[in-house]
Amino acid sequence: NAGVTQTPKFQVLKTGQSMTLQCAQDMNHNSMYWYRQDPGMGLRLIYYSASEGTTDKGEVPNGYNVSRLNKREFSLRLESAAPSQTSVYFCASSERAGNQPQHFGDGTRLSIL
Amino acid sequence: KNQVEQSPQSLIILEGKNCTLQCNYTVSPFSNLRWYKQDTGRGPVSLTIMTFSENTKSNGRYTATLDADTKQSSLHITASQLSDSASYICVVPSMDSSYKLIFGSGTRLLVRP
Repeated sequence: NAGVTQTPKFQVLKTGQSMTLQCAQDMNHNSMYWYRQDPGMGLRLIYYSASEGTTDKGEVPNGYNVSRLNKREFSLRLESAAPSQTSVYFCASSERAGNQPQHFGDGTRLSIL
Repeated sequence: KNQVEQSPQSLIILEGKNCTLQCNYTVSPFSNLRWYKQDTGRGPVSLTIMTFSENTKSNGRYTATLDADTKQSSLHITASQLSDSASYICVVPSMDSSYKLIFGSGTRLLVRP
Protein backbone atom coordinates (compact mmCIF):
# COMPACT_ATOMS: atom_id res chain seq x y z
CA ASN A 1 0.00 0.00 0.00
CA ALA A 2 1.23 3.48 -0.87
CA GLY A 3 -0.51 5.16 2.10
CA VAL A 4 -0.55 8.92 1.52
CA THR A 5 0.96 10.14 -1.75
CA GLN A 6 1.83 13.78 -2.37
CA THR A 7 2.80 15.41 -5.66
CA PRO A 8 5.00 17.13 -6.55
CA LYS A 9 7.85 16.44 -4.13
CA PHE A 10 9.64 19.71 -4.94
CA GLN A 11 8.52 22.95 -6.56
CA VAL A 12 9.94 26.42 -7.10
CA LEU A 13 7.54 29.25 -7.86
CA LYS A 14 7.81 32.97 -8.48
CA THR A 15 5.86 35.39 -6.34
CA GLY A 16 2.32 35.74 -7.66
CA GLN A 17 2.21 32.36 -9.42
CA SER A 18 -0.44 29.83 -8.54
CA MET A 19 -0.21 26.11 -8.06
CA THR A 20 -2.06 23.13 -6.64
CA LEU A 21 -0.54 20.52 -4.37
CA GLN A 22 -2.08 17.10 -4.78
CA CYS A 23 -2.70 14.47 -2.11
CA ALA A 24 -4.24 11.02 -2.35
CA GLN A 25 -4.71 8.26 0.23
CA ASP A 26 -5.53 4.61 -0.36
CA MET A 27 -6.52 3.65 3.21
CA ASN A 28 -10.23 4.52 2.84
CA HIS A 29 -9.85 7.17 5.51
CA ASN A 30 -12.64 9.63 6.17
CA SER A 31 -10.54 12.61 7.29
CA MET A 32 -7.74 14.44 5.52
CA TYR A 33 -5.49 17.33 6.52
CA TRP A 34 -2.99 19.83 5.15
CA TYR A 35 -0.11 21.09 7.31
CA ARG A 36 2.90 23.28 6.83
CA GLN A 37 6.21 22.79 8.62
CA ASP A 38 8.64 25.66 9.07
CA PRO A 39 12.11 25.51 10.67
CA GLY A 40 12.01 25.56 14.46
CA MET A 41 8.24 25.31 14.59
CA GLY A 42 5.76 22.52 15.00
CA LEU A 43 3.49 21.49 12.15
CA ARG A 44 0.58 23.88 11.75
CA LEU A 45 -2.83 22.91 10.38
CA ILE A 46 -3.90 24.83 7.28
CA TYR A 47 -7.20 23.14 6.43
CA TYR A 48 -8.84 19.84 7.13
CA SER A 49 -11.69 17.77 5.78
CA ALA A 50 -13.48 15.74 8.43
CA SER A 51 -15.37 13.78 5.78
CA GLU A 52 -16.02 13.81 2.07
CA GLY A 53 -17.88 16.98 1.15
CA THR A 54 -16.71 19.07 4.12
CA THR A 55 -13.72 21.35 4.65
CA ASP A 56 -12.79 23.58 7.58
CA LYS A 57 -10.11 26.12 8.38
CA GLY A 58 -7.20 25.26 10.60
CA GLU A 59 -4.72 27.51 12.35
CA VAL A 60 -3.16 29.20 9.28
CA PRO A 61 -5.65 29.18 6.35
CA ASN A 62 -4.95 32.61 4.85
CA GLY A 63 -3.64 32.47 1.29
CA TYR A 64 -4.80 28.88 0.72
CA ASN A 65 -7.83 27.08 -0.63
CA VAL A 66 -8.66 23.38 -0.56
CA SER A 67 -10.85 20.94 -2.42
CA ARG A 68 -11.93 17.51 -1.21
CA LEU A 69 -12.32 16.04 -4.68
CA ASN A 70 -13.56 12.65 -3.44
CA LYS A 71 -12.88 10.37 -0.48
CA ARG A 72 -9.32 9.66 -1.69
CA GLU A 73 -8.12 13.08 -2.80
CA PHE A 74 -7.60 16.41 -1.04
CA SER A 75 -5.83 19.26 -2.86
CA LEU A 76 -4.29 22.49 -1.60
CA ARG A 77 -4.17 25.55 -3.83
CA LEU A 78 -2.04 28.67 -3.58
CA GLU A 79 -3.78 31.31 -5.71
CA SER A 80 -1.02 33.95 -5.57
CA ALA A 81 2.13 32.60 -3.98
CA ALA A 82 4.10 34.75 -1.54
CA PRO A 83 7.62 34.21 -0.15
CA SER A 84 6.07 33.67 3.32
CA GLN A 85 4.50 30.50 1.93
CA THR A 86 7.91 28.91 1.40
CA SER A 87 7.63 25.78 3.51
CA VAL A 88 7.30 22.02 3.54
CA TYR A 89 3.69 20.97 3.10
CA PHE A 90 2.39 17.70 4.51
CA CYS A 91 -0.86 15.96 3.77
CA ALA A 92 -2.25 13.48 6.29
CA SER A 93 -5.28 11.24 6.66
CA SER A 94 -7.02 9.42 9.48
CA GLU A 95 -9.95 7.05 9.81
CA ARG A 96 -11.64 9.72 11.91
CA ALA A 97 -10.65 12.11 14.73
CA GLY A 98 -10.54 11.13 18.39
CA ASN A 99 -7.80 8.65 19.26
CA GLN A 100 -6.99 7.64 15.70
CA PRO A 101 -3.46 8.22 14.38
CA GLN A 102 -2.88 10.49 11.42
CA HIS A 103 -0.85 9.03 8.56
CA PHE A 104 1.40 11.47 6.74
CA GLY A 105 2.79 11.74 3.24
CA ASP A 106 6.44 12.61 2.69
CA GLY A 107 5.81 16.25 1.94
CA THR A 108 6.11 18.81 -0.83
CA ARG A 109 9.06 21.19 -0.52
CA LEU A 110 7.91 24.53 -1.91
CA SER A 111 10.15 27.55 -2.47
CA ILE A 112 8.72 30.89 -3.56
CA LEU A 113 11.16 33.43 -4.92
CA LYS B 1 3.33 30.60 25.12
CA ASN B 2 3.50 27.34 23.18
CA GLN B 3 0.88 24.88 24.28
CA VAL B 4 3.28 21.96 23.72
CA GLU B 5 6.89 22.38 24.76
CA GLN B 6 9.59 19.78 24.27
CA SER B 7 13.03 19.40 25.73
CA PRO B 8 15.81 19.15 24.95
CA GLN B 9 15.75 20.73 21.49
CA SER B 10 18.52 18.39 20.39
CA LEU B 11 20.39 15.46 21.84
CA ILE B 12 23.41 13.38 20.84
CA ILE B 13 23.92 9.92 22.32
CA LEU B 14 26.11 6.92 21.58
CA GLU B 15 24.65 3.83 19.99
CA GLY B 16 23.37 1.40 22.59
CA LYS B 17 22.66 4.06 25.21
CA ASN B 18 19.23 4.99 26.56
CA CYS B 19 17.66 8.45 26.47
CA THR B 20 14.52 10.23 27.64
CA LEU B 21 12.74 13.05 25.86
CA GLN B 22 10.35 15.37 27.67
CA CYS B 23 7.05 17.02 26.74
CA ASN B 24 5.03 19.53 28.74
CA TYR B 25 1.60 20.63 27.57
CA THR B 26 -0.96 23.16 28.75
CA VAL B 27 -4.02 22.12 26.72
CA SER B 28 -7.05 21.06 28.74
CA PRO B 29 -9.41 19.25 28.74
CA PHE B 30 -7.13 16.47 27.68
CA SER B 31 -8.14 13.46 25.57
CA ASN B 32 -4.93 11.94 24.29
CA LEU B 33 -1.25 12.56 23.74
CA ARG B 34 0.74 11.31 20.76
CA TRP B 35 4.38 10.80 19.96
CA TYR B 36 5.55 10.85 16.36
CA LYS B 37 8.95 10.05 14.81
CA GLN B 38 10.05 12.08 11.81
CA ASP B 39 13.04 10.97 9.77
CA THR B 40 14.87 13.65 7.77
CA GLY B 41 13.01 14.35 4.56
CA ARG B 42 10.04 12.19 5.49
CA GLY B 43 6.62 12.69 7.03
CA PRO B 44 5.95 11.98 10.72
CA VAL B 45 5.09 8.42 11.71
CA SER B 46 2.95 7.62 14.75
CA LEU B 47 4.75 5.86 17.63
CA THR B 48 2.10 5.89 20.35
CA ILE B 49 -1.25 7.40 21.26
CA MET B 50 -2.01 7.54 24.99
CA THR B 51 -5.36 8.38 26.54
CA PHE B 52 -5.59 10.23 29.84
CA SER B 53 -6.19 6.92 31.66
CA GLU B 54 -2.91 5.38 30.47
CA ASN B 55 0.30 5.96 32.45
CA THR B 56 2.65 3.95 30.28
CA LYS B 57 2.60 2.60 26.75
CA SER B 58 5.33 0.74 24.89
CA ASN B 59 6.11 0.22 21.23
CA GLY B 60 9.19 -1.97 20.98
CA ARG B 61 12.15 -0.04 22.37
CA TYR B 62 10.02 3.10 22.78
CA THR B 63 8.15 3.64 26.05
CA ALA B 64 5.95 6.67 26.61
CA THR B 65 4.79 7.78 30.04
CA LEU B 66 2.06 10.25 30.89
CA ASP B 67 1.23 12.20 34.03
CA ALA B 68 -2.07 13.96 33.35
CA ASP B 69 -1.95 15.73 36.72
CA THR B 70 1.30 17.55 35.97
CA LYS B 71 0.66 17.61 32.20
CA GLN B 72 3.95 15.96 31.42
CA SER B 73 4.92 13.12 29.13
CA SER B 74 8.21 11.46 28.37
CA LEU B 75 9.47 9.18 25.64
CA HIS B 76 12.17 6.72 26.69
CA ILE B 77 14.29 5.02 24.05
CA THR B 78 16.12 1.89 25.14
CA ALA B 79 19.31 0.51 23.60
CA SER B 80 19.41 3.17 20.90
CA GLN B 81 20.22 2.30 17.31
CA LEU B 82 21.55 4.45 14.48
CA SER B 83 18.10 4.30 12.88
CA ASP B 84 16.67 6.11 15.92
CA SER B 85 18.29 9.31 14.63
CA ALA B 86 15.25 11.48 13.88
CA SER B 87 13.04 14.20 15.30
CA TYR B 88 10.54 13.12 17.94
CA ILE B 89 7.38 15.17 18.13
CA CYS B 90 4.86 15.40 20.96
CA VAL B 91 1.26 16.17 19.89
CA VAL B 92 -2.02 16.89 21.70
CA PRO B 93 -5.49 17.67 20.32
CA SER B 94 -6.75 21.24 20.51
CA MET B 95 -9.54 22.24 22.86
CA ASP B 96 -11.48 23.43 19.78
CA SER B 97 -11.70 20.16 17.94
CA SER B 98 -10.24 16.67 18.07
CA TYR B 99 -9.44 17.11 14.38
CA LYS B 100 -7.00 19.91 15.21
CA LEU B 101 -3.69 18.73 16.60
CA ILE B 102 -1.10 20.92 18.32
CA PHE B 103 2.45 19.86 17.51
CA GLY B 104 5.54 20.51 19.57
CA SER B 105 8.62 21.68 17.72
CA GLY B 106 10.32 18.35 18.38
CA THR B 107 13.53 16.97 19.83
CA ARG B 108 16.20 16.19 17.27
CA LEU B 109 18.05 13.03 18.28
CA LEU B 110 21.35 11.97 16.77
CA VAL B 111 22.68 8.51 17.59
CA ARG B 112 26.41 8.15 16.91
CA PRO B 113 28.29 4.86 16.44
